[in-house]
Amino acid sequence: ETGVTQTPRHLVMGMTNKKSLKCEQHLGHNAMYWYKQSAKKPLELMFVYSLEERVENNSVPSRFSPECPNSSHLFLHLHTLQPEDSALYLCASSQTGGGTYNEQFFGPGTRLTVL
Amino acid sequence: AQSVTQLDSHVSVSEGTPVLLRCNYSSSYSPSLFWYVQHPNKGLQLLLKYTSAATLVKGINGFEAEFKKSETSFHLTKPSAHMSDAAEYFCVVSLWNNDMRFGAGTRLTVKP
Repeated sequence: ETGVTQTPRHLVMGMTNKKSLKCEQHLGHNAMYWYKQSAKKPLELMFVYSLEERVENNSVPSRFSPECPNSSHLFLHLHTLQPEDSALYLCASSQTGGGTYNEQFFGPGTRLTVL
Repeated sequence: AQSVTQLDSHVSVSEGTPVLLRCNYSSSYSPSLFWYVQHPNKGLQLLLKYTSAATLVKGINGFEAEFKKSETSFHLTKPSAHMSDAAEYFCVVSLWNNDMRFGAGTRLTVKP
């Protein structure tokens, strides 16, 4: 496997379900990100982890709970979601530090539908 | 605050004609700027980036962009469009490594 992978690619869940999205990066990066991409809206940054510590949480509802057990893995735990949470959830990674502006590498995304 | 404005939500060109996707940025500091492309049902792929070296940046697939500080612009161009260029394009400004602001996107349609 190379780059950034995400599983599952598609997920349909009811409002009372609990599910998790998984992201894995094989690039040796030290920062990982969760984004939400909804139709007709700009990409929204949800969470940032740098060196496995959460450094940013853009006022995301508590029904979304991230977990970063190590620098290669990132999870997004979902519970009691709402239909408006249906979107494409993208994971990204980058190498931070060193005074450089490093691009983020994106996974293919998980298409989430909440019924 | 840093932000980007993509001036066109949709651009349509004929195959073999030039492509111009416009982006203006706002930044209090010397910015880093990126263009990403997203094909249907795929993640975002980096096309090119500007990090205060050359103002004309060449990217993949024949795309390039020119940083113009006086106009606060970073427009994306390609001399000749291919059918495979049809996708969504995002202009991005970054102040620092963890802070990237995405534009709303421009959908490029390429007609045969």
